[in-house]
Amino acid sequence: DTAVSQTPKYLVTQMGNDKSIKCEQNLGHDTMYWYKQDSKKFLKIMFSYNNKELIINETVPNRFSPKSPDKAHLNLHINSLELGDSAVYFCASSPRARLGEQYFGPGTRLTVT
Amino acid sequence: GENVEQHPSTLSVQEGDSAVIKCTYSDSASNYFPWYKQELGKGPQLIIDIRSNVGEKKDQRIAVTLNKTAKHFSLHITETQPEDSAVYFCAATSDSGYSTLTFGKGTMLLVSP
Repeated sequence: DTAVSQTPKYLVTQMGNDKSIKCEQNLGHDTMYWYKQDSKKFLKIMFSYNNKELIINETVPNRFSPKSPDKAHLNLHINSLELGDSAVYFCASSPRARLGEQYFGPGTRLTVT
Repeated sequence: GENVEQHPSTLSVQEGDSAVIKCTYSDSASNYFPWYKQELGKGPQLIIDIRSNVGEKKDQRIAVTLNKTAKHFSLHITETQPEDSAVYFCAATSDSGYSTLTFGKGTMLLVSP
């Protein structure tokens, strides 16, 4: 019944490691996103994909590499993790015709020590 | 690009009172204004939205108003209940092309019994 799911929910790792977060949506949407929410709750768009193609990359360091194997999945791989990467990462999806109606996943809390 | 300002950052009310959250936007091309509610430990959830061809929209205890001339829009919650306690985000976008959704910085609403 889950609309947008993410795994894992929590991720604790050390600086310099590489980690991945997976996202899947079963809503049939064409467009998927990754957001970063910092400790002050500010939501910032990182990437947007439409039908497996990168549409928006909001000046995110190239240590972050999204991958969309199909339009229902958008994974986020992070290389060489830094302390400043600690945040909650949200995946979201929306219908192509209504990009503002976004459905968010439950989030992945990443802690880099 | 779009810039969305949201006030207040925190709002405390007694159960049964009304709550109003205000936002302003900068880009006159924005035509879609959704509001999201984020409960603790969860992803943001779309609760109501308004398009630029409408001045007001209601859904039970919540309503949104839009003043295109002044570039203001507001969320009104009447008869607040403890379960309304959450962080509320306003957002703006041009719902065409591949415009991003720009979020305000959020309002933490606390409803005391």
